[in-house]
Amino acid sequence: QTVVTQEPSFSVSPGGTVTLTCGLTSGSVSTNFYPSWYQQTPGQSPRTLIHNTNVRSSGVPDRFSGSILGNKAALTITGAQADDESDYYCVLFMGGGIWVFGGGTKLTVL
Amino acid sequence: QLQLQESGPGLVKPSETLSLTCTVSGVSVSTNNYYWGWIRQSPGKGLDYIGIISYSGIPYYNPSLKSRVTISIDTSKNQFSLRLSSVTAADTALYFCARGLGGDSVALSWGQGTLVTVSS
Repeated sequence: QTVVTQEPSFSVSPGGTVTLTCGLTSGSVSTNFYPSWYQQTPGQSPRTLIHNTNVRSSGVPDRFSGSILGNKAALTITGAQADDESDYYCVLFMGGGIWVFGGGTKLTVL
Repeated sequence: QLQLQESGPGLVKPSETLSLTCTVSGVSVSTNNYYWGWIRQSPGKGLDYIGIISYSGIPYYNPSLKSRVTISIDTSKNQFSLRLSSVTAADTALYFCARGLGGDSVALSWGQGTLVTVSS
């Protein structure tokens, strides 16, 4: 069974740039997996940041960007701010109406 | 403006069936290329895809839950629903409904979520 992988945790300094990744235990992620990215703070429902690899949702600042880097999907945050400290989840489309979430990355801004 | 609101019992007994409804406002559930999904989050854990149903009523399920899950759509009420049978404590979670878009996204918009506890 293919598992979607994410870094369990990451830290970034205020104003810095961080790239979170979303991979597969078997194979490479491409645009055909339509990767999406979500931000979730404790007690809140997720907020959609990016879908279809690099399409930013309405109202999402352009310092959030999505891409394919090597064999993984990537979410890059430039100019990190304190309120970017959240959990970030990716999800990949496996075909046949099946989507699989990664385990999430806990981002700390300090 | 699209809004999604989950509703249903907050407590379900083991072996019984969990039933939730998502009421959609601001857009028709029959809107072409819109998909309507359920995602859950166990306490302190990550997001877990349950399934999705197309605007035309075709459902797709997480293979690990497929034998217990039914997702349906009611265009007359502008709602879609989740039924999960034979629940156990492992099904205790915050259940979110969401609006997706074709094959592009499983969830562009989210409901606020509803906590369902499985306990006797």
